[in-house]
Amino acid sequence: DADVTQTPRNRITKTGKRIMLECSQTKGHDRMYWYRQDPGLGLQLIYYSFDVKDINKGEISDGYSVSRQAQAKFSLSLESAIPNQTALYFCATSENRQGGADTQYFGPGTRLTVL
Amino acid sequence: AQKVTQAQTEISVVEKEDVTLDCVYETRDTTYYLFWYKQPPSGELVFLIRRNSFDEQNEISGRYSWNFQKSTSSFNFTITASQVVDSAVYFCALSEHTGFQKLVFGTGTRLLVSP
Repeated sequence: DADVTQTPRNRITKTGKRIMLECSQTKGHDRMYWYRQDPGLGLQLIYYSFDVKDINKGEISDGYSVSRQAQAKFSLSLESAIPNQTALYFCATSENRQGGADTQYFGPGTRLTVL
Repeated sequence: AQKVTQAQTEISVVEKEDVTLDCVYETRDTTYYLFWYKQPPSGELVFLIRRNSFDEQNEISGRYSWNFQKSTSSFNFTITASQVVDSAVYFCALSEHTGFQKLVFGTGTRLLVSP
């Protein structure tokens, strides 16, 4: 089984709808992240969480919210989806090690289309 | 500020050719970490390598090799004897040691390997 899972894998929704993307991990990592990828661009950080009580905004958090329900679960919500939120969304996890930057391990991605 | 530049948007080669993907980075930190990720057509992001700024030794893993040169701020990736399965988008990324250790991605290089 995959260490980092995302549900749903694909979703088509309409403008104005609320949608939640879910991420679960079995790696035992403390840190979790949400990114979005747009065609021809790299990944942009939406939110990150260093543990259950520590949630922070990334570069492009407007229009998004998150919930860290447990160490293993980190959800991303679009309160009122708009077409320019159409993108590929990735969840990632990393250890909280001292002495160096952690490698981030990514889930399979969720392809979201907002009509 | 951190920045990663992958100037090659797309590279096309024929199977068995060698190919080098370029990555140039900018950072003010003296300690930092460099990464390569592979994104095959199926969309997931696969971690390939992590290198810290104190280790300039080149690394080889099978047909993959990485050349890290601090003098030119480059961390290039070479695939020897390319195969069709190497077709993917490859991302270079940088993380600084201080602060949040944010992972900054380049815009990726699409590699097309034809039979």
